Amino acid sequence: QITLKESGPTLVKPTQTLTLTCTFSGFSLRTSGVGVGWIRQPPGKALEWLAVIYWDDDTRYSPSLKNRLTITKDTSKNQVVLTMTNMDPVDTATYYCAHSPIDCSGGRCYHYFPHWGQGTVVTVSS
Amino acid sequence: QLVLTQSPSASASLGASVKLTCTLSSGHSSYAIAWHQQQPEKGPRYLMKLNSDGSHSKGDGIPDRFSGSSSGAERYLTISSLQSEDEADYYCQTWGTDMGVFGTGTKVTVL
Repeated sequence: QITLKESGPTLVKPTQTLTLTCTFSGFSLRTSGVGVGWIRQPPGKALEWLAVIYWDDDTRYSPSLKNRLTITKDTSKNQVVLTMTNMDPVDTATYYCAHSPIDCSGGRCYHYFPHWGQGTVVTVSS
Repeated sequence: QLVLTQSPSASASLGASVKLTCTLSSGHSSYAIAWHQQQPEKGPRYLMKLNSDGSHSKGDGIPDRFSGSSSGAERYLTISSLQSEDEADYYCQTWGTDMGVFGTGTKVTVL
């Protein structure tokens, strides 16, 4: 059974750096083709993909947030960490991590999110 | 630019069927997508992966009344025998050039 759980501060001040941890079980980031992604959702708005890290340490970031995001992994702890710098009130959202295996078909490869964490609410306010 | 377009809302009566549409932007009509459900105050749940030929594979425990189909650049999610617990937001999602893309979501109301 695959499970993921996000943890981190519920409140950060503008300009501060946010650090979120995703702790997972039921799969390994040592396994080829496996990734863990982060997605956020501002209150009342749609889901927004942020970043992914792969089993081989390769990473991908949302172009609009690339300069502010860093995603890393600690395979021995089954954890993935997302940091976001220079937080602003518009970054107030629920942040989710998700199991993100590579799925190749029809000549392309995709990342889907077959398992999600419960999410953690982050409010940015002074 | 890869964009997924969804209608903001849909509704149908309890026990009826509803068909949701996700439209891929020009040049991306061959892309596969995934459908995710988000019930009120809950996190998203993966429903299925849907290929351009209409073949699909569902996530663990997803009822048979959820099905997918495709036509050209459109990807559909059909919910049959609507239940009250199907009242939720439904998001389509795909993968572009090195990045994930979500649609804006469709809110389904069960009348």
